[in-house]
Amino acid sequence: KAGVTQTPRYLIKTRGQQVTLSCSPISGHRSVSWYQQTPGQGLQFLFEYFSETQRNKGNFPGRFSGRQFSNSRSEMNVSTLELGDSALYLCASSLTTGTYEQYFGPGTRLTVT
Amino acid sequence: DAKTTQPNSMESNEEEPVHLPCNHSTISGTDYIHWYRQLPSQGPEYVIHGLTSNVNNRMASLAIAEDRKSSTLILHRATLRDAAVYYCVSLFTSGTYKYIFGTGTRLKVLA
Repeated sequence: KAGVTQTPRYLIKTRGQQVTLSCSPISGHRSVSWYQQTPGQGLQFLFEYFSETQRNKGNFPGRFSGRQFSNSRSEMNVSTLELGDSALYLCASSLTTGTYEQYFGPGTRLTVT
Repeated sequence: DAKTTQPNSMESNEEEPVHLPCNHSTISGTDYIHWYRQLPSQGPEYVIHGLTSNVNNRMASLAIAEDRKSSTLILHRATLRDAAVYYCVSLFTSGTYKYIFGTGTRLKVLA
């Protein structure tokens, strides 16, 4: 069974631009969560989508948004990029929302210059 | 939200058991404890999870204190491939589900 895939793997953007990251969950998984990982703040929960609806949200500004499609694939968008948005963005899928274990993708490394 | 506290780093000899501690004194009665590990240049990998009682699987064991204020991840025989950052994660369940990752323990396994 194929794992979680994320595209692109690496991205360089300029401050003020916007970016869209993509995540394809494991087949049959309906929940997709997004995380930001930085050396200073560690792994922080961004949001979770289940059945095309945002179910949970972390403490991030409205510049961070996402959506989920009917095939469970998910996209994350960051508008008006700031230097502090440079991070590894991880996507994780699970069978459903709740206490189930999550399976993480390799991440997208975003660098904002 | 419940927070978890872990030592920054630990060392173990190969083939010996490893006990990785986690403090989660602010956890609520319905918050699960999960453990994940992250190898270099990879996303985190699920290890084990539990609520109140001790849990075992093929990778590790999880011992949860009776008052649930702490837990210990036990690797029965450490190998070089177990060298990773281990995260103790509280699954905040009050109304919604939200993973709160700790700062992680970097485990070094000595040959």
